[in-house]
Amino acid sequence: SAVISQKPSRDICQRGTSLTIQCQVDSQVTMMFWYRQQPGQSLTLIATANQGSEATYESGFVIDKFPISRPNLTFSTLTVSNMSPEDSSIYLCSVEAPGPKSYNEQFFGPGTRLTVL
Amino acid sequence: QKEVEQDPGPLSVPEGAIVSLNCTYSNSAFQYFMWYRQYSRKGPELLMYTYSSGNKEDGRFTAQVDKSSKYISLFIRDSQPSDSATYLCAMNEVGSYIPTFGRGTSLIVHP
Repeated sequence: SAVISQKPSRDICQRGTSLTIQCQVDSQVTMMFWYRQQPGQSLTLIATANQGSEATYESGFVIDKFPISRPNLTFSTLTVSNMSPEDSSIYLCSVEAPGPKSYNEQFFGPGTRLTVL
Repeated sequence: QKEVEQDPGPLSVPEGAIVSLNCTYSNSAFQYFMWYRQYSRKGPELLMYTYSSGNKEDGRFTAQVDKSSKYISLFIRDSQPSDSATYLCAMNEVGSYIPTFGRGTSLIVHP
């Protein structure tokens, strides 16, 4: 299994500013994923981050808005840039690792609750 | 039409009731079906994992997949207040590591 921590757990930010969210995993993993969870909406994948390469972004998400770093196999950051109230959401970090229910189980961090004023 | 449809609820039931949670989907290529449980202010955790059609049981939880109807269900027997959470269905195609999630159903089990 994998245990994931995220910092900060929540933040309130002013529009136009940027916030960097950190994700730390207790084991080495190949791929890390960043999701957005907006109220009443399904989990939406923002990007996949592999160590040593550029992140792969899903349709509707761009690197200039959501730059991602992946400096090693246990850590990643997601920056939400030039924020607007529409960016208010929960941001979740996720990894794939062997687990009790599946050899390829997806584990999630507790999330970062972002409010943009 | 969304690829995965899930009624957001809330679904409120008394303790001890049998709960039925459901999702429908449109992509016939989906082969892996999951149910996640998400407590308030926590990340989702995998509850049930099923490949293709059929039933899978784990304690009080039973997952059913009917691919002919593109319909999946999660049953919770003898529901407890600790089962109060949001339940998200998710599914993906063979060879894809990116699941498509439903919106989640909020379940409230009251004593």
